[in-house]
Amino acid sequence: DGGITQSPKYLFRKEGQNVTLSCEQNLNHDAMYWYRQDPGQGLRLIYYSQIVNDFQKGDIAEGYSVSREKKESFPLTVTSAQKNPTAFYLCASSHLSENSPLHFGNGTRLTVT
Amino acid sequence: GQQLNQSPQSMFIQEGEDVSMNCTSSSIFNTWLWYKQEPGEGPVLLIALYKAGELTSNGRLTAQFGITRKDSFLNISASIPSDVGIYFCAGPPETGNNRKLIWGLGTSLAVNP
Repeated sequence: DGGITQSPKYLFRKEGQNVTLSCEQNLNHDAMYWYRQDPGQGLRLIYYSQIVNDFQKGDIAEGYSVSREKKESFPLTVTSAQKNPTAFYLCASSHLSENSPLHFGNGTRLTVT
Repeated sequence: GQQLNQSPQSMFIQEGEDVSMNCTSSSIFNTWLWYKQEPGEGPVLLIALYKAGELTSNGRLTAQFGITRKDSFLNISASIPSDVGIYFCAGPPETGNNRKLIWGLGTSLAVNP
């Protein structure tokens, strides 16, 4: 079955450590996205990528970094510079066509203490 | 940033009741997307609307793209316990980057069996 896989489901880190969240898709989608979800704030875009080796900042990119070395993979690194890293992180992908809807993974809940 | 206004914020209903929720914006949208998110999971696309006035059904769900292109509603008929979750509307802004979807804050639905 085609889909988006995020791993791990739960992640715990100490403050000051960088942590990388995995996202893999086998839907042959060109575009991939990372969102952050906090209670009462909806979904906020962190980074997105439309093609391998290229990506753009979303609305809340500070303290995060990404790479897109393969079409199928779009890992997100939460750096120690991110002031409030504890959140639910969602990866999504879509075709490039204008009206192509996003398909989401099942998320990674990151807790930093 | 720009957001869509979803109402109601939450609903608590009895099984079998019909549900109606809506999404409004001060600006025009060319696409409306309705997603459902269950606890601890990623959002799942329910219905996509691409034309003003369009009325689309998916099982017990019906959604409409408002004629003014500034609103959309989602109806659920004969609710069942598995309808529980948060329902989000989203869409790409008419002007600007269509990779940056605008999201509502969600309508949380609870169903009493």
